[in-house]
Amino acid sequence: DQQVKQNSPSLSVQEGRISILNCDYTNSMFDYFLWYKKYPAEGPTFLISISSIKDKNEDGRFTVFLNKSAKHLSLHIVPSQPGDSAVYFCAANRRRDDKIIFGKGTRLHILP
Amino acid sequence: DTAVSQTPKYLVTQMGNDKSIKCEQNLGHDTMYWYKQDSKKFLKIMFSYNNKELIINETVPNRFSPKSPDKAHLNLHINSLELGDSAVYFCASSRTVAYGYTFGSGTRLTVV
Repeated sequence: DQQVKQNSPSLSVQEGRISILNCDYTNSMFDYFLWYKKYPAEGPTFLISISSIKDKNEDGRFTVFLNKSAKHLSLHIVPSQPGDSAVYFCAANRRRDDKIIFGKGTRLHILP
Repeated sequence: DTAVSQTPKYLVTQMGNDKSIKCEQNLGHDTMYWYKQDSKKFLKIMFSYNNKELIINETVPNRFSPKSPDKAHLNLHINSLELGDSAVYFCASSRTVAYGYTFGSGTRLTVV
């Protein structure tokens, strides 16, 4: 039962352009949504989060958009840089559960 | 100065053996977790502890037993290892879920 879905296993984007990573979820009770970045042989690193009561959160080059009616969120990276090449995990949480549910990840390749 | 450290990083062992993975965090967080990333790359929660108390146990076989001697440590002991236990195990800690987890770099367990 996948509550958090990332349907694109990989994405290639030219350096300097915008990278858009998508995520869908099924549980309307989630309180927070998070994005993690993971390099090979390292643990996931927290990137940015958004509360379910907001529709946008921005941190430098990273912006997360939340569309609750569509149960969809996306991560925008502008401009994309070579160091952004990594696997990105979408994740969600219900505050009362105190656990984070992860999607399967999308591998982002930034092309020179 | 590593925030969440796991040892060992790699572990190769035979079926039927018993092994332990250690985790320590120096962030002062109250909650610690074990996650498993299987061959399909899903990150799934196994256990969470809050201040040495078990909070979440996600239908993990009894062969897996977490132990938290203090709130800075959460070790994972696995009895009678099976081939299907081969995975990457991540330890994590958090202050509150909204701020995300801080993950360790993972332990790649291979059962042969």
